[in-house]
Amino acid sequence: DADVTQTPRNRITKTGKRIMLECSQTKGHDRMYWYRQDPGLGLQLIYYSFDVKDINKGEISDGYSVSRQAQAKFSLSLESAIPNQTALYFCATSDRDRGRDTGELFFGEGSRLTVL
Amino acid sequence: QQPVQSPQAVILREGEDAVINCSSSKALYSVHWYRQKHGEAPVFLMILLKGGEQKGHDKISASFNEKKQQSSLYLTASQLSYSGTYFCGTVSGYSTLTFGKGTMLLVSP
Repeated sequence: DADVTQTPRNRITKTGKRIMLECSQTKGHDRMYWYRQDPGLGLQLIYYSFDVKDINKGEISDGYSVSRQAQAKFSLSLESAIPNQTALYFCATSDRDRGRDTGELFFGEGSRLTVL
Repeated sequence: QQPVQSPQAVILREGEDAVINCSSSKALYSVHWYRQKHGEAPVFLMILLKGGEQKGHDKISASFNEKKQQSSLYLTASQLSYSGTYFCGTVSGYSTLTFGKGTMLLVSP
């Protein structure tokens, strides 16, 4: 089984619908992240969490919200999906004791979201 | 601020060498390198911390020039398995990792 699991892996939805992408990890890491990947744009950080009570906005948080339900679970929500949120979404984790550095990121397999 | 990678794409024959560059306008604490194969998640290659460290991963190595805020990834005697998109990520100040747009590498037989 994968250490970082994302569900669903693929989702097609319509404009205006609420969507939740879920991420769970068995690595025991405190830090969790949500990235969005669009062709030619690299990976852009949406939100990150350094522990259950710590949630931070990333570069492109507008239109998204997150919930850190437990150390092992970090969910990304699109309250009202729009077509330009069509993208590949990755959850990632990293270890805590890296000081200022993020440390190695361990990625989930990705969730491909299509908004019609 | 997103680091800038160059070139955007590289096509090599097996056995050839390549260099991928990553530069930032900010003072950097660390540089990360990842490789992503088509349809898969990015996979960590190495971290270079402030101090000019060079790291290696098989025949892939990298350097970090903190004064120039640049890093270079060196792929020596490329193999077919090296094909993919390479991303650099940078950490500056107390920010989290910011990725570049990626460099697509294709190694042909």
